[in-house]
Amino acid sequence: AQTVTQSQPEMSVQEAETVTLSCTYDTSESDYYLFWYKQPPSRQMILVIRQEAYKQQNATENRFSVNFQKAAKSFSLKISDSQLGDAAMYFCAYHNQAGTALIFGKGTTLSVSS
Amino acid sequence: DTGVSQDPRHKITKRGQNVTFRCDPISEHNRLYWYRQTLGQGPEFLTYFQNEAQLEKSRLLSDRFSAERPKGSFSTLEIQRTEQGDSAMYLCASSRGGTGYYEQYFGPGTRLTVT
Repeated sequence: AQTVTQSQPEMSVQEAETVTLSCTYDTSESDYYLFWYKQPPSRQMILVIRQEAYKQQNATENRFSVNFQKAAKSFSLKISDSQLGDAAMYFCAYHNQAGTALIFGKGTTLSVSS
Repeated sequence: DTGVSQDPRHKITKRGQNVTFRCDPISEHNRLYWYRQTLGQGPEFLTYFQNEAQLEKSRLLSDRFSAERPKGSFSTLEIQRTEQGDSAMYLCASSRGGTGYYEQYFGPGTRLTVT
């Protein structure tokens, strides 16, 4: 069975600084997708960034980028120029090629201070 | 595109009562998913519909849980004889269907408290 592990329950960063959230996963599949979702307090979960396992190039979305290390089964999220609005719970998630369900990690609570 | 909506947003019930939640997906999405999120945990998959057919159920979905999606539009999740362990956020998501991956869009969730 696939598993997703987020080893940092909480992280903090100052505005304008950079922070990296860690995620590791375990799978025997070769084709899959990895995601970072953001869940602000009392608001719905939204997709931040997606990485297809077959792509060697790391995904980037504005201030958000990932470091995808397939052999190491590592998928970290870097947030550059952090903003107060980035404060949220961040979930790493996995989806295999044929499956339907997302498999989530336990999440990392990110706080941003001014 | 008005997004995924869920009703109610909050529900407090006494142990042993039945509760029903509703999810309205994005209109052109034919796939609908239910997840459960307990405090300090990530969402866990419960069940999945392709149109009106329930194609997959997690072992987390005990006999007290039932989900329907009549006519392939909105879905309901019913919990019978609620227990305190059922207290959680129940999330609904929808996506397009087909081969490969399609982004799942999440609703705001229904927070259930069983007293």
